[in-house]
Amino acid sequence: ILNVEQSPQSLHVQEGDSTNFTCSFPSSNFYALHWYRWETAKSPEALFVMTLNGDEKKKGRISATLNTKEGYSYLYIKGSQPEDSATYLCASPHGNNRLAFGKGNQVVVIP
Amino acid sequence: DGGITQSPKYLFRKEGQNVTLSCEQNLNHDAMYWYRQDPGQGLRLIYYSQIVNDFQKGDIAEGYSVSREKKESFPLTVTSAQKNPTAFYLCASSVQGLGYEQYFGPGTRLTVT
Repeated sequence: ILNVEQSPQSLHVQEGDSTNFTCSFPSSNFYALHWYRWETAKSPEALFVMTLNGDEKKKGRISATLNTKEGYSYLYIKGSQPEDSATYLCASPHGNNRLAFGKGNQVVVIP
Repeated sequence: DGGITQSPKYLFRKEGQNVTLSCEQNLNHDAMYWYRQDPGQGLRLIYYSQIVNDFQKGDIAEGYSVSREKKESFPLTVTSAQKNPTAFYLCASSVQGLGYEQYFGPGTRLTVT
């Protein structure tokens, strides 16, 4: 099973502060890196699918970067708001058309 | 509206009984997946299907079975052979190919006592 690691496992952020967290994955045979946001009582929703080394993607106040050579991706939240409270999952493909997920970064934004 | 549905939201069963979880999608996706989530764990893949009438075991397939007779439907049966069936089950679908995002259903929480 592909080893996808996320850190920190959980973090509390003051409203208005910016934060970031890490997803690491094996860099050999890299194909793509997925980020999902999973809010309580909702379904996980895709944020980004990244494929190119050095790629940076942005959706509102959330952005992600990708380093395929060293095997990591950062997710940034700028000016955190309570609605950003969620678990952020990263996943990387392995095998035939399947994803391996990390355990997630649980973010709690404190008003 | 296009989407993926799972039913029921909560399911309770007695130990020793088989139970089937429903997953339906109207996104015209070829690929469908079943995951299990336990506290402190990431999503773990149970079974997946890339096309109708075909499916493959994931990382934790023991005690589970699936069928894919229609493109829209991918039901999961939790059998009595599954040692720890109490968990949250998520179904997902996607266009075929690893560069495409997966769309998730709302999940079914199964409790077996």
